[in-house]
Amino acid sequence: SQQGEEDPQALSIQEGENATMNCSYKTSINNLQWYRQNSGRGLVHLILIRSNEREKHSGRLRVTLDTSKKSSSLLITASRAADTASYFCATADSWGKLQFGAGTQVVVTP
Amino acid sequence: DAGVTQSPTHLIKTRGQQVTLRCSPKSGHDTVSWYQQALGQGPQFIFQYYEEEERQRGNFPDRFSGHQFPNYSSELNVNALLLGDSALYLCASSFGAPGKAGHWLAFFGQGTRLTVV
Repeated sequence: SQQGEEDPQALSIQEGENATMNCSYKTSINNLQWYRQNSGRGLVHLILIRSNEREKHSGRLRVTLDTSKKSSSLLITASRAADTASYFCATADSWGKLQFGAGTQVVVTP
Repeated sequence: DAGVTQSPTHLIKTRGQQVTLRCSPKSGHDTVSWYQQALGQGPQFIFQYYEEEERQRGNFPDRFSGHQFPNYSSELNVNALLLGDSALYLCASSFGAPGKAGHWLAFFGQGTRLTVV
């Protein structure tokens, strides 16, 4: 079963716009991570946020975590065509086991 | 520095056959986990190997088995293939004993696309 649920399932935006996607999860977590996947290939790690952190930035990425609501959001600012991909959130237990959601498909058009 | 490498990249098998997928972890990593990703879904955890032992296992039948070698590389074996086993199989490596902080950050390979016909 999937731990996280991403919302929306699909997102279509134009270059330069911001993209926001949300993730909800069910159980307590050690940390939450976001990954990108291009065309069914391998997963690229984007950012990790620990359970005691509320917000984290990495370049054009901003992640928030609300453990009371069991939710996280990923914001991509000033999107580019190269950001077209599927984005997954994954929760990690203390042993490193990752549980993924079904992902958000993002299409950025020039 | 080579990342996680998986072989083969694509594979076609017939129902009932057996398959072996291979993974070499990122240099310096000693833990390997395997995931199955069906089309349109997120990856599902199969199992995790550390110190040549299976440490955690997801909800997969015994037809799925694995092995980790002294050089930390790993194999995933699937017996009696079913059509439903068609998926992208991803290998992820990390460093440190499961339960340790550094272990949380996993690097993924490009995957093996298995098609069962």
